[in-house]
Amino acid sequence: NAGVTQTPKFQVLKTGQSMTLQCAQDMNHNSMYWYRQDPGMGLRLIYYSASEGTTDKGEVPNGYNVSRLNKREFSLRLESAAPSQTSVYFCASTRPWTGETKNIQYFGAGTRLSVL
Amino acid sequence: GQSLEQPSEVTAVEGAIVQINCTYQTSGFYGLSWYQQHDGGAPTFLSYNALDGLEETGRFSSFLSRSDSYGYLLLQELQMKDSASYFCAVKYRDDKIIFGKGTRLHILP
Repeated sequence: NAGVTQTPKFQVLKTGQSMTLQCAQDMNHNSMYWYRQDPGMGLRLIYYSASEGTTDKGEVPNGYNVSRLNKREFSLRLESAAPSQTSVYFCASTRPWTGETKNIQYFGAGTRLSVL
Repeated sequence: GQSLEQPSEVTAVEGAIVQINCTYQTSGFYGLSWYQQHDGGAPTFLSYNALDGLEETGRFSSFLSRSDSYGYLLLQELQMKDSASYFCAVKYRDDKIIFGKGTRLHILP
C-alpha cells in the first residue's frame, strides 16, 4: 500500500519562483491536510480539505494556495516563493470519522523546500 | 484561540517511565491524539483519547481530562529507539487538526 505520496522530496527555489507540491492518497480518505514544520515550531496547519470540493484555511495560510483536485489529490502552490517559506512540508489524510474510530492521520514522507 | 502547550524537552533513563504532558486552551474538540516523529521522518500515530480516562496500547498509554484541560502520554520500559519528538494534537468538528510544538525525548543509557 502506497498510503500518502508526496512529490517532490526535495526542492530548491529562488525567491519569486513558483511551484506546486503534489500529494495523493490511495486510502479513500475524505480529509486531507498540508502542514509545514520548522525547528521548534511543531507542525503548523496551512490548509485542509474536509471533503472533495472544499478547502479551508489553517493557522498559517498566507502565501499559499491549495486545490483539492479530486478525492485522492490535494496540491499546495507557492505563487511567489519567499525565504520564510523554507521548511519541511507534510501532507496528511484521515479516514471518515464515525465517532467510534480512532482519529488517525497518515502522513507523507515530506517535501524539503529551500528558498534562496 | 487554540493552543496546545508541551514541554520542549524531556530526559529519561533507559528502562524507566516518562510522562509527557499536554495542556490546552481550546474547546469543542473531539479528541486528543499523540504522534511520534524520529529525526528526518514523518509523524506516526501512537494513541487517541476521545473520552476522559486512560487508553493503553502496549508500552504507550495516553490520558485525557477535559475538566482539567490536560492530557499526557506515558511511555514505559523506555528503549533507546523511543528517542524522538512527541506531539499532541486535537481534532475539531470541521476536521481541522492542530498540533502542539512537540516534546523532544532524550533517553540516557
